[in-house]
Amino acid sequence: NAGVTQTPKFRILKIGQSMTLQCTQDMNHNYMYWYRQDPGMGLKLIYYSVGAGITDKGEVPNGYNVSRSTTEDFPLRLELAAPSQTSVYFCASSYFSDPTDTQYFGPGTRLTVL
Amino acid sequence: AQTVTQSQPEMSVQEAETVTLSCTYDTSESDYYLFWYKQPPSRQMILVIRQEAYKQQNATENRFSVNFQKAAKSFSLKISDSQLGDAAMYFCAYRSSGGSNYKLTFGKGTLLTVNP
Repeated sequence: NAGVTQTPKFRILKIGQSMTLQCTQDMNHNYMYWYRQDPGMGLKLIYYSVGAGITDKGEVPNGYNVSRSTTEDFPLRLELAAPSQTSVYFCASSYFSDPTDTQYFGPGTRLTVL
Repeated sequence: AQTVTQSQPEMSVQEAETVTLSCTYDTSESDYYLFWYKQPPSRQMILVIRQEAYKQQNATENRFSVNFQKAAKSFSLKISDSQLGDAAMYFCAYRSSGGSNYKLTFGKGTLLTVNP
């Protein structure tokens, strides 16, 4: 199993551009999450999904959109990129029958908006 | 809302010695889960250990163990026989056990340096 994979690893955007961060998991996990990590801080939840077709907002959803058309994929869309969205983005997944809902993370995408 | 506090921005330890990283949290809930994640320079978030709040027994995973003090809302991580590969940022995280709250709440992290 590859676990949780994310592409790209790095990206530089200009203000106002858009992009999609890709996330795929091959563990048949129901739940998937997007976090952002700003310098010197812990991770903050952007959006999450409890299954295909179901998504919901986390703590910091503004400026982002998500979709979940399959169990495996959970892309994060940035529309009209702003410098405040410069961050490292992590995708994670977990299995609904795990009582601790332990989340497994991808390697992250470092995004810079100039 | 729950908060997680890691009061030690940086810690250092000599190889083969023991180090303890502190974490406190604030919650009004009685049932929840606590986690320690390791983030090496590769940035990958790796689960180190987890604790269920309803369990009295402290979790252990090889050289890693926790001291869970529920009344004090404290969840410290002890690393024994420290190795160079333990050098990383360590994050403490909290998750509610019930309802639709899937959010992990993270502390700001402790940067651990291991000296040879």
